[in-house]
Amino acid sequence: TQLLEQSPQFLSIQEGENLTVYCNSSSVFSSLQWYRQEPGEGPVLLVTVVTGGEVKKLKRLTFQFGDARKDSSLHITAAQPGDTGLYLCAGAGYSGGSNYKLTFGKGTLLTVNP
Amino acid sequence: GAGVSQTPSNKVTEKGKYVELRCDPISGHTALYWYRQSLGQGPEFLIYFQGTGAADDSGLPNDRFFAVRPEGSVSTLKIQRTERGDSAVYLCASSSGRSNYGYTFGSGTRLTVV
Repeated sequence: TQLLEQSPQFLSIQEGENLTVYCNSSSVFSSLQWYRQEPGEGPVLLVTVVTGGEVKKLKRLTFQFGDARKDSSLHITAAQPGDTGLYLCAGAGYSGGSNYKLTFGKGTLLTVNP
Repeated sequence: GAGVSQTPSNKVTEKGKYVELRCDPISGHTALYWYRQSLGQGPEFLIYFQGTGAADDSGLPNDRFFAVRPEGSVSTLKIQRTERGDSAVYLCASSSGRSNYGYTFGSGTRLTVV
């Protein structure tokens, strides 16, 4: 059983479209992080959300942490080919446990076509 | 250094052989983590070091896996009697403290056991 479920697993869109990807769990996390990973590289941290209901914006990317701190979403406005990559969500402090250990979802593989 | 450095970037070994994977974290980062990423999966936690000691090795799959960090900086992940199922990308990450608001990952070592 996957602790963090990400959806969709694959997403292929045209440049300029908007999209939302989701990260859901039945467990509470103390914080949730989003990473983007490109082929042959390690994941790169995009954002950390800590407070239930928190919304953070990073240029065209908007991240939201659910009120109950069990889920999160990533919305991309006017997607560009440079946004292509594997988007991973990762939770820390699962059900009050240690904060240093991250539990990752399987990721959403996004392809933005020119 | 400026980032987390992992060597080698690729390693092909025969079943039953011993391998060592090296991680050089960001200078001054006291926390170091090893994760393993199999094809189509998110990274899975292996072990966490705070300074020289392994604070949590609960993710190591069995006693063929061992990691050290003797001087609190460079770490080596050691795998004995490799098996084909050990094939994966081994990722190292570091962070500056106990609170996990984001790791910096290296590019990983792709291990292939033939």
